[in-house]
Amino acid sequence: QSALTQPASVSGSPGQSITISCVGTSSVVGNYHTVSWYQQHPGKAPKVIIYEINKRPSGVSNRFSGSTSGNTASLTISGLQAEDEADYHCCAHGGSRLHWVFGGGTKVTVL
Amino acid sequence: QVQLVESGGGVVQPGGSLRLSCAASGFTFSNFAMHWVRQAPGRGLEWVTFLHVDGRTQFYADSVMGRFTISRDNSKNTLYLQMHSLREEDTALYFCARETSPTTPFDSWGQGALVTVSS
Repeated sequence: QSALTQPASVSGSPGQSITISCVGTSSVVGNYHTVSWYQQHPGKAPKVIIYEINKRPSGVSNRFSGSTSGNTASLTISGLQAEDEADYHCCAHGGSRLHWVFGGGTKVTVL
Repeated sequence: QVQLVESGGGVVQPGGSLRLSCAASGFTFSNFAMHWVRQAPGRGLEWVTFLHVDGRTQFYADSVMGRFTISRDNSKNTLYLQMHSLREEDTALYFCARETSPTTPFDSWGQGALVTVSS
């Protein structure tokens, strides 16, 4: 079992909002202040879109937002666009043994 | 702009060795900690290893501990990953990634180097 669990897929229509969950085991919950999210289009390198739970790097659309609640981190994409169709990966620090841990990734489909 | 370019990937038999390189440009390489992250075909991302700016502090995933070694040559602005005793499950696209801070581990990525372990 991965220390971070994401749904395999999420879909939505253009203009809608979708939320991707990232559920952590006890080894990573305490480090949720380190949560980051990465967008990866097919055949491309990942790109950071959220870091430190809810901060956006310069140039990333404000349609992307992050949050945490309990042992779950979430990425919300509002005003879904065709270009948002990609894989999304959450990541957090898992402590001194696991170090950095990724979720299994979520494929977002724009219907 | 920040650029990371991996090289050295290829096909190797189980038990073999390979060394990946990651050439950095567009920033002061010696000031940044670096990571290797891999992605098996059709799978998610897996963190592999970390190297601090001091060149000595290293961490490894359990899956590669004792087989892989990370190093850097600041004079050449290059990060390395030496891989020994390769297994079929090491087959993946290997990315190098720059760390901006301990809470922002992967702010820039290369395009990856493909390693295929097969007999």
